Amino acid sequence: GQQLNQSPQSMFIQEGEDVSMNCTSSSIFNTWLWYKQDPGEGPVLLIALYKAGELTSNGRLTAQFGITRKDSFLNISASIPSDVGIYFCAGRMNTGNQFYFGTGTSLTVIP
Amino acid sequence: DGGITQSPKYLFRKEGQNVTLSCEQNLNHDAMYWYRQDPGQGLRLIYYSQIVNDFQKGDIAEGYSVSREKKESFPLTVTSAQKNPTAFYLCASSLIGPGQGDQPQHFGDGTRLSIL
Repeated sequence: GQQLNQSPQSMFIQEGEDVSMNCTSSSIFNTWLWYKQDPGEGPVLLIALYKAGELTSNGRLTAQFGITRKDSFLNISASIPSDVGIYFCAGRMNTGNQFYFGTGTSLTVIP
Repeated sequence: DGGITQSPKYLFRKEGQNVTLSCEQNLNHDAMYWYRQDPGQGLRLIYYSQIVNDFQKGDIAEGYSVSREKKESFPLTVTSAQKNPTAFYLCASSLIGPGQGDQPQHFGDGTRLSIL
C-alpha cells in the first residue's frame, strides 16, 4: 500500500512552545486529514483539507495542504499539556476510496 | 448521541479460536472501515464497505472476514488463520461525498485483542 512519511517520529517540548510536523507522500493526494489519538482511544479528526494550498485553522491548530499535493503540515501554537498524544496524517488519492495513514508523531509536552 | 460504538473494549482469544469484534454507527454513514494498529505503526486497512452487502479487501485482509448486512453494522471476525492477531482494532465510518470519498473518516474507541 501507499506509504506516508510523517516526521518527526516524536517530540518533547516545553509548555508554551510551538510545534510543527509534516507528512509527505510519493503520490499526489486530493484530500489530507489530521487526527489526534489519546492512549487507548480512537483517533479524533482535527482538520480536513481538500485543496492544494489550503490553510485551515482549528483553535491553536493550523494545517496546510502543500502546493505540490504531496505533502501537508500541522502546526500547534502555544502548546499545553492536553496536547499530548499521537498525531496522524491521512491522505487520499484521486483514484480509489482508501485513506492512507502516516506512522504518527508522538508529542510530549513538559509543564 | 451520534457516534461509532465498538465492543468489547478488550478481547482475549485462545489459539485456534475465531472471535468477532462489533462495530455499530448511528451517523447514517454509507461507508465503514476496519483498521489494525500495531505499536509505533500507522493504521493499516483490513476491509471496507461502501454499501450494504458489499465489501472490499484492504491491504491486510488475510485471516479476517467481515459482513455488512445492515448499514449501521460492520462486524469483523478474526479467524484462526490470523497468526498474529494481537493488536488494537479500529472501526471507522464516513459519508461518501459527490467527489467519491471526500468525506473524512470518524473512528470508534477501538478494541484491544490479545492472545491467551
